[in-house]
Amino acid sequence: GQQLNQSPQSMFIQEGEDVSMNCTSSSIFNTWLWYKQDPGEGPVLLIALYKAGELTSNGRLTAQFGITRKDSFLNISASIPSDVGIYFCAGLGNFGNEKLTFGTGTRLTIIP
Amino acid sequence: DVKVTQSSRYLVKRTGEKVFLECVQDMDHENMFWYRQDPGLGLRLIYFSYDVKMKEKGDIPEGYSVSREKKERFSLILESASTNQTSMYLCASSLSPQETQYFGPGTRLLVL
Repeated sequence: GQQLNQSPQSMFIQEGEDVSMNCTSSSIFNTWLWYKQDPGEGPVLLIALYKAGELTSNGRLTAQFGITRKDSFLNISASIPSDVGIYFCAGLGNFGNEKLTFGTGTRLTIIP
Repeated sequence: DVKVTQSSRYLVKRTGEKVFLECVQDMDHENMFWYRQDPGLGLRLIYFSYDVKMKEKGDIPEGYSVSREKKERFSLILESASTNQTSMYLCASSLSPQETQYFGPGTRLLVL
């Protein structure tokens, strides 16, 4: 099946720092999604990207759909304690009855 | 807002028991999905359904079955629970395969 490599696997940062994470794929995607999962909860959609090169913001979050369509990036500026959680990328191709492919997640911890 | 609910947040079952996990969505979505989430492995698709009474195997269907008798409800069945099925189970729904998936809060299952 398709593979999504998400990095880093975990991050330990101080409040106020900026955060960057990315996903790369072995194949082309037509849609990239970024989800956040709070501890003990289901993933919640943060940003959806539908076009190569697209840059979309949601508050302090900014995500980009890579030009090659094989990667995507998520940046969080000026992190706050409620940013703690696991961030997942997910990609959707165009191969018929499509299913999302998920990255393995980036666990973000904020050090007081 | 899309709402996906799961019947239980936490379940404890014994090896060999039959286990039912229920998922209900209120947005008339055609597609529903069951995933399991394990540390370091991300989200793995067990089964999905794109219409009432239709089902398709995901990446890890072994040991599971599903039922979709009504559009809004998708059930995951563990015919004979085993300890390696201890996991977090997440249900999701989407309007179409190419649309964003919305997740429920998850059911954390412990099989003893």
